[in-house]
Amino acid sequence: DAGITQSPRHKVTETGTPVTLRCHQTENHRYMYWYRQDPGHGLRLIHYSYGVKDTDKGEVSDGYSVSRSKTEDFLLTLESATSSQTSVYFCATTSGGLETQYFGPGTRLLVL
Amino acid sequence: DQQVKQNSPSLSVQEGRISILNCDYTNSMFDYFLWYKKYPAEGPTFLISISSIKDKNEDGRFTVFLNKSAKHLSLHIVPSQPGDSAVYFCAASGSNYQLIWGAGTKLIIKP
Repeated sequence: DAGITQSPRHKVTETGTPVTLRCHQTENHRYMYWYRQDPGHGLRLIHYSYGVKDTDKGEVSDGYSVSRSKTEDFLLTLESATSSQTSVYFCATTSGGLETQYFGPGTRLLVL
Repeated sequence: DQQVKQNSPSLSVQEGRISILNCDYTNSMFDYFLWYKKYPAEGPTFLISISSIKDKNEDGRFTVFLNKSAKHLSLHIVPSQPGDSAVYFCAASGSNYQLIWGAGTKLIIKP
């Protein structure tokens, strides 16, 4: 398994506040992804990165931004959290050329 | 518009019997399919995959079958064990190394 950590693991915040989630990997994987998981929807892609400073939108990117200034770190920011962003967020990585993605343990976010 | 569908939210199987999890897709351009397993409070972990040029791939107790004409794949677990109780996700490879995911099927193995 790729060494993928996510921080924080749990967070409670209030509507309208900014929130940043961090994904850190030690495998030097080129591709990194942020997903959200909600009941009945499986995993939905928010944003992904195909290299340092190279990012693109996924299926559900509205209200989210990302940054990747180093290979090992991929940050997901909720500029102004809303209750609809209450979810479990997963980071994943892949070395590229392989479809197998390796996942972090997840961050459970509750927006009140 | 769900391109990958897992129509059974849950499945209960007796220990030692076969578990069959199903997945349907709509996009004929998908060329690679994967199954992931997820335990509570953990991230999904890769289980088994299959390329669209094959119709079967086997790894120990796990076998995935692909029927391209029906746009259907299935995961067989034989024999089922208590540790197999988890949520199973089917995923298909689209473009740009993106995966399209099904909603998952919760498998419960009864002792």
